[in-house]
Amino acid sequence: ILNVEQSPQSLHVQEGDSTNFTCSFPSSNFYALHWYRWETAKSPEALFVMTLNGDEKKKGRISATLNTKEGYSYLYIKGSQPEDSATYLCAFSGTASKLTFGTGTRLQVTL
Amino acid sequence: EAQVTQNPRYLITVTGKKLTVTCSQNMNHEYMSWYRQDPGLGLRQIYYSMNVEVTDKGDVPEGYKVSRKEKRNFPLILESPSPNQTSLYFCASSRFSGGQPQHFGDGTRLSIL
Repeated sequence: ILNVEQSPQSLHVQEGDSTNFTCSFPSSNFYALHWYRWETAKSPEALFVMTLNGDEKKKGRISATLNTKEGYSYLYIKGSQPEDSATYLCAFSGTASKLTFGTGTRLQVTL
Repeated sequence: EAQVTQNPRYLITVTGKKLTVTCSQNMNHEYMSWYRQDPGLGLRQIYYSMNVEVTDKGDVPEGYKVSRKEKRNFPLILESPSPNQTSLYFCASSRFSGGQPQHFGDGTRLSIL
């Protein structure tokens, strides 16, 4: 079973703070790296899928970068809002078929 | 509306009583997959299917079976459920592969006594 690690496990920030999380994955046999947002009592929703080294994706205040050579991806949230409170999951694909998820970073944004 | 539908949403049952969790998608996706979510362990892939009649094991397939007779349906079968299969289960689909954004169902919470 592949090792996909996310840090920190949880994070508590104030509204307006910018924050970032890390996803580490095997640096060999890379196919794709996913980020998902998972709100309590809902199902995970895809944020980004990145496939190329150096990829950067952006959606509103959320952006992500990818380094496949060293095996990490960063997710950034600029100006956190309470509605950003969720668990953020990354998932690694070494092939077109299997997906291995990290355990997530739980973000709580307070006023 | 594009969606992945799982049934039932909640189920409490007893050890050894065969059960099936259904999953259906209306997006004509080729790839479908089942995951289980346990505290502290993250989502773990049980089985996946690249297309009709093509299924393969994920990381935790023991105790589960799947079938893919039609493109839209991918049921998860527990032939003889045991308490260690108590978990939150998600079905997901994507257009072609595990390398594309996964669309998740709402989840099935299974309790096996």
